[in-house]
Amino acid sequence: AQTVTQSQPEMSVQEAETVTLSCTYDTSESDYYLFWYKQPPSRQMILVIRQEAYKQQNATENRFSVNFQKAAKSFSLKISDSQLGDAAMYFCAYIASTGANSKLTFGKGITLSVRP
Amino acid sequence: EAGVTQSPTHLIKTRGQQATLRCSPISGHTSVYWYQQALGLGLQFLLWYDEGEERNRGNFPPRFSGRQFPNYSSELNVNALELEDSALYLCASSLAGREAFFGQGTRLTVV
Repeated sequence: AQTVTQSQPEMSVQEAETVTLSCTYDTSESDYYLFWYKQPPSRQMILVIRQEAYKQQNATENRFSVNFQKAAKSFSLKISDSQLGDAAMYFCAYIASTGANSKLTFGKGITLSVRP
Repeated sequence: EAGVTQSPTHLIKTRGQQATLRCSPISGHTSVYWYQQALGLGLQFLLWYDEGEERNRGNFPPRFSGRQFPNYSSELNVNALELEDSALYLCASSLAGREAFFGQGTRLTVV
């Protein structure tokens, strides 16, 4: 069964600095997607970025980028020029593209605080 | 395009009662997921429906049940409510094997 691991429960970053959030996963599938979701204090889950496993190029969305290492099954999120509004809980997630394992699986999340 | 909608946004029940939570997915999405999130904690997977069928179930007692209708909307039922069932219940929809989009959640309070 697929698993997603976020081993850091909390991280802190200075405003305008860069922070990297770690995530590892385990799967026997070859075709899948990986995501990072953000949950601010409003508790609305927001999709931040997605990565398709068959694409070698790392996904980028403005200040958010990922470092996808397929062989190592690692999927980290880098936030550049951190802003106060980035303070939130961040969840890494996995889904297989087809079949019975195409269940959306989340890590436990990491709480990111941003210091002004 | 309308997003995922959940109703009600808030629900207060007494211990032992039943609660029904509803979710309307994004048009065209066939999969619906339900998650429970206690305050300050992560997402606990409850149920996954796709094309009207229950595909997977999390480690929750049988008093948590649900269904998916022909129009792909979904209902989560919680029977014999207990105080620890108080949480945010999140619904998400997706096309199978794609990213999921979340509703705003239903805050269930059991008193």
